[in-house]
Amino acid sequence: NAGVMQNPRHLVRRRGQEARLRCSPMKGHSHVYWYRQLPEEGLKFMVYLQKENIIDESGMPKERFSAEFPKEGPSILRIQQVVRGDSAAYFCASSPLGDRLQETQYFGPGTRLLVL
Amino acid sequence: AQSVAQPEDQVNVAEGNPLTVKCTYSVSGNPYLFWYVQYPNRGLQFLLKYITGDNLVKGSYGFEAEFNKSQTSFHLKKPSALVSDSALYFCAVRDRGSGNTGKLIFGQGTTLQVKP
Repeated sequence: NAGVMQNPRHLVRRRGQEARLRCSPMKGHSHVYWYRQLPEEGLKFMVYLQKENIIDESGMPKERFSAEFPKEGPSILRIQQVVRGDSAAYFCASSPLGDRLQETQYFGPGTRLLVL
Repeated sequence: AQSVAQPEDQVNVAEGNPLTVKCTYSVSGNPYLFWYVQYPNRGLQFLLKYITGDNLVKGSYGFEAEFNKSQTSFHLKKPSALVSDSALYFCAVRDRGSGNTGKLIFGQGTTLQVKP
């Protein structure tokens, strides 16, 4: 059973460009979480999605950031008009359908975004 | 506000000696508690979790953690450290409240350095 897949692993963008980060959850998992890790900091929750639904986006910046988890295909975290402060590692985690509070979240390898 | 504290930025221990990585939390009620490990340029790997029952939880790679409700702590321990245990360790909590959508709240991480 393949783990959580994320691509690209590294992404370099210039200020003002768009960044698209992809996450394929583990097989059989229907909950997807996105977290951001700034340098020298722990992970911060951004958004929680199920198929075709955003359940909790309380950690998402109000502007420029969006996320989706379509019926088919990976979850996408999209950052428009990137700024240098967006440089960070972005991690996706998935968990199986069930009691989401008890279930373990399994993390992907992350996408490291560098904004020049 | 919910928070997790890992009071030590770095823990140094000699190979073969016992290790402890500390974690305290501030969450209403009894939370679910997790430990993850992160190797350089990798994602987070799940080590163990406390859901209910026995306060001593055993996990992967010989690690264990003890839930202490009165001290609101969940310290990670291992009887005999290995050089390969050197990594960044994160404690995380999840609120049991019905409104929580499952997001994890992370500590800032503790770097464990095991020297030969």
